[in-house]
Amino acid sequence: IQLTQSPSSLSASVGDRVTITCRASQGISSYLAWYQQKPGKAPKLLIYAASTLQSGVPSRFSGSGSGTDFTLTISSLQPEDFATYYCQQLNSYPHTFGQGTKLEIK
Amino acid sequence: QLQLQESGPGLVKPSETLSLTCTVSGGSISSSSYYWGWIRQPPGKGLEWIGSIYYSGSTYYNPSLKSRVTISVDTSKNQFSLKLSSVTAADTAVYYCARRSAAGNDYWGQGTLVTVSS
Repeated sequence: IQLTQSPSSLSASVGDRVTITCRASQGISSYLAWYQQKPGKAPKLLIYAASTLQSGVPSRFSGSGSGTDFTLTISSLQPEDFATYYCQQLNSYPHTFGQGTKLEIK
Repeated sequence: QLQLQESGPGLVKPSETLSLTCTVSGGSISSSSYYWGWIRQPPGKGLEWIGSIYYSGSTYYNPSLKSRVTISVDTSKNQFSLKLSSVTAADTAVYYCARRSAAGNDYWGQGTLVTVSS
């Protein structure tokens, strides 16, 4: 299963609302997770089962979708949110990742 | 608090075998609720899922690497390991070990850079 994220990169300002999309090449129900990765660090799980917020993750992050189309939304960007975001499908092996979306400061 | 730590050589020669171990502390690798896996990231590139293992020894591999990959588990040491044979420069990457729950990969090691070079 291939995952295609869009956009590949995005410039935004603090306080902006941002949406990243992830499209699967075939249906994956809600078996999708979102991760945040900062330079030199391991990815951090943000959202699982497409829309469930991982414990400790700020509520400005939200996820939606099922089947083949998914979105990650950050409602009001904070300085610490500038990072690269990846989606991953856990519906079937191999558990593929999207190519990533780099969120940069405008 | 669960912690995962990768260990192994940082430099491997082409055609040789890359070997890494992930030591789990603060929890049991024998829990029936989790899988344990390896993910890699070439410098400046995205994440690639390598494979995962259950404490019983059941394994799942990425077909793109399957002929070269072996993941094993040692429950007595609370460790699991990765072997990747016949490496080339394309295998140069940061290698992460991670725990997979029903939620996804919720705990990660810090990652270890493995460079393939003569």
